[in-house]
Amino acid sequence: AAGVIQSPRHLIKEKRETATLKCYPIPRHDTVYWYQQGPGQDPQFLISFYEKMQSDKGSIPDRFSAQQFSDYHSELNMSSLELGDSALYFCASSSRGPASDTQYFGPGTRLTVL
Amino acid sequence: AQTVTQSQPEMSVQEAETVTLSCTYDTSESDYYLFWYKQPPSRQMILVIRQEAYKQQNATENRFSVNFQKAAKSFSLKISDSQLGDAAMYFCAYRSASPASKLTFGTGTRLQVTL
Repeated sequence: AAGVIQSPRHLIKEKRETATLKCYPIPRHDTVYWYQQGPGQDPQFLISFYEKMQSDKGSIPDRFSAQQFSDYHSELNMSSLELGDSALYFCASSSRGPASDTQYFGPGTRLTVL
Repeated sequence: AQTVTQSQPEMSVQEAETVTLSCTYDTSESDYYLFWYKQPPSRQMILVIRQEAYKQQNATENRFSVNFQKAAKSFSLKISDSQLGDAAMYFCAYRSASPASKLTFGTGTRLQVTL
């Protein structure tokens, strides 16, 4: 079965640079969630989109922005990167159908800020 | 705000034995969902099992089952016939029943499986 696709899988940036993370949800899933997992931490919710509109917002820095496009893929844009932004970034998707409560996670993008 | 607590940072089980991971949560909502996710060394987040709060019957998925006590706000995971491949970090997670709600995770329990 098709899964959530995230690209790139690994990203190395310098401080103050910009990064863009992409997420392609499972086909026919209309809701996308972004989570950040620091080393040794549990995943923390950043932001979500439902039918291309922002649905909920968590502890996302103002330097970060995100959107969902007409094909339901989503991008997380991160500017003025800081050392503390180094983390694993997960995208998850869900649908409105049966078991719509269940979020399926992508493999994550590992961001390293030097 | 909802909180999820996993009080066991680490657990160990022998292969073929049974282990139970604990999770408690706090919420004022009556309708919600609970999940256990597994995160192996690859760091992929893998869904293990889900429970609907309005269902009294405990969920089961092969060797994995839960003990859901709604009044006590407790949601433990039992792994039977443990296998080496079960070694991972296990996260308990809460989700409101509202559409497109976020997951709130516990701090995780690292499970070690020994021969």
